[in-house]
Amino acid sequence: QKEVEQDPGPLSVPEGAIVSLNCTYSNSAFQYFMWYRQYSRKGPELLMYTYSSGNKEDGRFTAQVDKSSKYISLFIRDSQPSDSATYLCAMSVQTGANNLFFGTGTRLTVIP
Amino acid sequence: KAGVTQTPRYLIKTRGQQVTLSCSPISGHRSVSWYQQTPGQGLQFLFEYFSETQRNKGNFPGRFSGRQFSNSRSEMNVSTLELGDSALYLCASSPGQGGDTIYFGEGSWLTVV
Repeated sequence: QKEVEQDPGPLSVPEGAIVSLNCTYSNSAFQYFMWYRQYSRKGPELLMYTYSSGNKEDGRFTAQVDKSSKYISLFIRDSQPSDSATYLCAMSVQTGANNLFFGTGTRLTVIP
Repeated sequence: KAGVTQTPRYLIKTRGQQVTLSCSPISGHRSVSWYQQTPGQGLQFLFEYFSETQRNKGNFPGRFSGRQFSNSRSEMNVSTLELGDSALYLCASSPGQGGDTIYFGEGSWLTVV
């Protein structure tokens, strides 16, 4: 079993829809949680970074962390065609090192 | 502020050859990590360097190695290339403290034929 599980999709939604992307994890030592967006043939771009359980909002994006259930989510409101990309969840433990554990990514297509 | 810069962006090598990839981190960042991304395995951590020392290492064979210079620039090397080494190699930089936000470069696309 992988330490981080993510539904690979693909996921297709109409423009304006609310998108929900999810990851589960097994390692309770994970303390930092990130969402990256990756466009085709590009490097991952950091979207959201959270530490504690709860919600964090940034514009149309909301990251949610539930450490008790080992479950994280990313919500995208009013989705746009430009949101079409692969979304990767990532997490790390609280040490001095910075190695991230990634989900496999969910490919999202927003249809105009 | 310039982002993480990786060179070369694309390269094709033959089985058995070796390859060196370069990464310049964001100015002021002292930690550089390398990742391999393939369709089958996703993003996998290779190693991290901080202040010229390897601080952490993933589960890859010894053919994969790296180093970091005093200006924080880093190189990774893959010797005796195999077809399965074809991948996107990503470099990431961060200030170097635990819980940093980590920024990725555009990657180097390696094709082994």
